[in-house]
Amino acid sequence: DVKVTQSSRYLVKRTGEKVFLECVQDMDHENMFWYRQDPGLGLRLIYFSYDVKMKEKGDIPEGYSVSREKKERFSLILESASTNQTSMYLCASRGQGAGGELFFGEGSRLTVL
Amino acid sequence: ELKVEQNPLFLSMQEGKNYTIYCNYSTTSDRLYWYRQDPGKSLESLFVLLSNGAVKQEGRLMASLDTKARLSTLHITAAVHDLSATYFCAVGGIQGAQKLVFGQGTRLTINP
Repeated sequence: DVKVTQSSRYLVKRTGEKVFLECVQDMDHENMFWYRQDPGLGLRLIYFSYDVKMKEKGDIPEGYSVSREKKERFSLILESASTNQTSMYLCASRGQGAGGELFFGEGSRLTVL
Repeated sequence: ELKVEQNPLFLSMQEGKNYTIYCNYSTTSDRLYWYRQDPGKSLESLFVLLSNGAVKQEGRLMASLDTKARLSTLHITAAVHDLSATYFCAVGGIQGAQKLVFGQGTRLTINP
């Protein structure tokens, strides 16, 4: 089974702090994604990566950056957390090819005070 | 820009009844996915629909895809309480793009 592991299930940070959310997948997938999930808004794509050191902006990249130094690991960085970044963050991975579904991690619930 | 809309967003139903969740999308795509999310949990893949007319069934759930109408349906037959969850559809981008765009989700509650 594909396993996508997110490093922290729950985090509480203060405004202005730097936040790292890490995600590791064990299926050698080329593509990795960060989404945020908010009530009534569904899932919105922040960034994705289709290869090591490659990244693409999603629909809501402002206030976020990402890092993909190794194929299995994709990190989401909040340089200076703000209260409107309080959310559930979901990492996902997917292999190449048209048919593959996304495999999601358990999610990281971030609260920014 | 690809937009995906689900309806209804909230659905409360009795056990034993049938119902359908609809997923409409705005631009051409031949890939559609259905996911389930339980409260406090992540998303679990239910169905992958890759061609016009595709139909897939698992237990009491059946999903279909009409690419010409840009519509997918998730049909629930003889609902049971265990099917209570939020259901999302997601559409693959055109021209092989790897990202998926999700609908808002349908929160389904099945009452005994």
